[in-house]
Amino acid sequence: EVQLLESGGGLVQPGGSLRLSCAASGFTFSTSAMSWVRQAPGKGLEWVAAISSSGGTTYSADSVKGRFTISRDNSKSTLYLQMNSLRAEDTAVYYCAKDFWSGYYGTYWGQGTLVTVSS
Amino acid sequence: DIQMTQSPSSLSASVGDRVTITCRASQSISSYLNWYQQKPGKAPKLLIYAASSLRSGVPSRFSGSGSGPDFTLTISSLQPDDFATYYCQQSYSTPLTFGGGTKVEIK
Repeated sequence: EVQLLESGGGLVQPGGSLRLSCAASGFTFSTSAMSWVRQAPGKGLEWVAAISSSGGTTYSADSVKGRFTISRDNSKSTLYLQMNSLRAEDTAVYYCAKDFWSGYYGTYWGQGTLVTVSS
Repeated sequence: DIQMTQSPSSLSASVGDRVTITCRASQSISSYLNWYQQKPGKAPKLLIYAASSLRSGVPSRFSGSGSGPDFTLTISSLQPDDFATYYCQQSYSTPLTFGGGTKVEIK
């Protein structure tokens, strides 16, 4: 059974940093592209960043470019999102999604982790 | 960036009704269009991929159609479990973008 378990969310002050993790199991992690998708309270879905199966190619939304970095450790079957210079508008539930990549679709999603940016 | 416009943003329907949700891309995206269902407090679930392919395990009352810029999600006979928010999403190019969502509520 495919499982994706996000962690690392919490309350952080504006300008602060946070690193999210997504632990994967039930499939061969190293062969799947992955993405982070977020949802602000009461709002729709917004793609944040994507990474290829090898980690050699990454893409990110303009809204987070230069502040957020997606990475992965295939030996640990774990996806990461390093978030720096956080803003109030980054407050959202962050989901990791398997296979969410250009030309494909998000087959499995984690349960999400809430990031709140507030003083 | 490719903009995805869904309509309506919400609708009220009864069990057994046929429901249609539309999604329009700001440019041609061939068939790179996916549909997700999301219930409150839960992660999105993939329903339809590549415009018209039903994901395994998804009830056959769900169907998708269209290509280029215009797409449709149809629920042939709405069931109690179908009350949720539905999102379209293009995977033609980055940034990967979603429609604004359609909330399906009980009439």
